[in-house]
Amino acid sequence: SYVLTQPPSVSVAPGKTARITCGGDNIGGKSVYWYHQKPGQAPVLVIYLDSDRPSGIPERFSGLNSGNTATLTISRVEAGDEADYYCQVWDSSRDHWVFGGGTKLTVL
Amino acid sequence: EVQLVASGGGLVKPGESLRLSCETSGFTFSTYTMHWVRQAPGKGLEWVSSIRSSSSYTYHADSLMGRFTISRDNARNSLYLQMNSLRAEDSAVYYCARACGDGCYPEYFQHWGQGTLVTVSS
Repeated sequence: SYVLTQPPSVSVAPGKTARITCGGDNIGGKSVYWYHQKPGQAPVLVIYLDSDRPSGIPERFSGLNSGNTATLTISRVEAGDEADYYCQVWDSSRDHWVFGGGTKLTVL
Repeated sequence: EVQLVASGGGLVKPGESLRLSCETSGFTFSTYTMHWVRQAPGKGLEWVSSIRSSSSYTYHADSLMGRFTISRDNARNSLYLQMNSLRAEDSAVYYCARACGDGCYPEYFQHWGQGTLVTVSS
């Protein structure tokens, strides 16, 4: 089965840039989706189709996907960005959705 | 406004069954693929099952081993998850989610409901 690997945690100071990676075999050949989830809340889509932002998501959120790694970048990080972040892909060979294990973003 | 309200969770014993519901509003339910996702306490997200708009196609995570069945009633704007032979490891918050629309592919998870908690314990 297809596996997505995320670092368990990333820490960043306010105003700096956070980068959260999502590794997978030739993930660059798939579309990647990113969600954030704050404690006690449902996940929220922040990036779709590798790099597109849904309405209401700040431009500070961006995504790239190439080779074996997809990256979610959050610029000018704010305290309110602190959350768990999950990447996701569609494994068309098995008709399965796959989530990464999640990354806890801590704003110092 | 898109609204998804999951219900039906609760405390059940191992081996018992439970049926979750997701009532929707704010969009034309019959035209969207719908999904179930679960999250065990303190753990990450796990995709459970998906169903196309006309129920013509459903797909499930392998880990469920055929114990769960997804269905929908387009007349009632509702999504369901029938869970049988429940195990302790099925304890989780279960979220329903609406897919993207307008012929998007793959049908990613555009809107999420708040979830309902299922606890399987003797």
